[in-house]
Amino acid sequence: GENVEQHPSTLSVQEGDSAVIKCTYSDSASNYFPWYKQELGKRPQLIIDIRSNVGEKKDQRIAVTLNKTAKHFSLHITETQPEDSAVYFCAARIQGTYKYIFGTGTRLKVLA
Amino acid sequence: NAGVTQTPKFRVLKTGQSMTLLCAQDMNHEYMYWYRQDPGMGLRLIHYSVGEGTTAKGEVPDGYNVSRLKKQNFLLGLESAAPSQTSVYFCASSYPDRLKLEQYFGPGTRLTVT
Repeated sequence: GENVEQHPSTLSVQEGDSAVIKCTYSDSASNYFPWYKQELGKRPQLIIDIRSNVGEKKDQRIAVTLNKTAKHFSLHITETQPEDSAVYFCAARIQGTYKYIFGTGTRLKVLA
Repeated sequence: NAGVTQTPKFRVLKTGQSMTLLCAQDMNHEYMYWYRQDPGMGLRLIHYSVGEGTTAKGEVPDGYNVSRLKKQNFLLGLESAAPSQTSVYFCASSYPDRLKLEQYFGPGTRLTVT
């Protein structure tokens, strides 16, 4: 069936270091891959997304890469700051449907 | 422009009780979704709607019903609540546009069933 695997489940980094979170999707028809940041008690907020016709996208300290052949996509956060601490979710949208499949989340802790 | 709103924010039910969660959006979105979020399991789709008067089952629909009588509202009903339905429920909406795929989430409803 359709699923998205996300790793690691927890990640601790020192302030200023980089963080990488990886996701793998199963349905090759997936065509849109958003990343969400969720702070405690809050709603998921879109931080960056990428479509299947693009290999990489960057927005300031955040970047996402997509490898369609391997069905992998990754979130890269550089120069991490304490306010980056949150749970991050990846997702994949199945082309031709209205469904988004979410990963199980990564709890990122940035240590000051 | 309030975006996506949900009522109530918190609720405690006893097993067997019923309730309805309301989601409203003012962005004229065609698509609306209900998810539940449990620790370590991410967001799982319960039901979704691609337009007024239409609904479809998602990944975990059992024990829930939905209705979309108006385009801006999507209701999630629990007819006979069970402790397994203790969760945080998020509503989301999006455009039916290939160029605008972002989902917009509501603030969530924390439901406890005792």
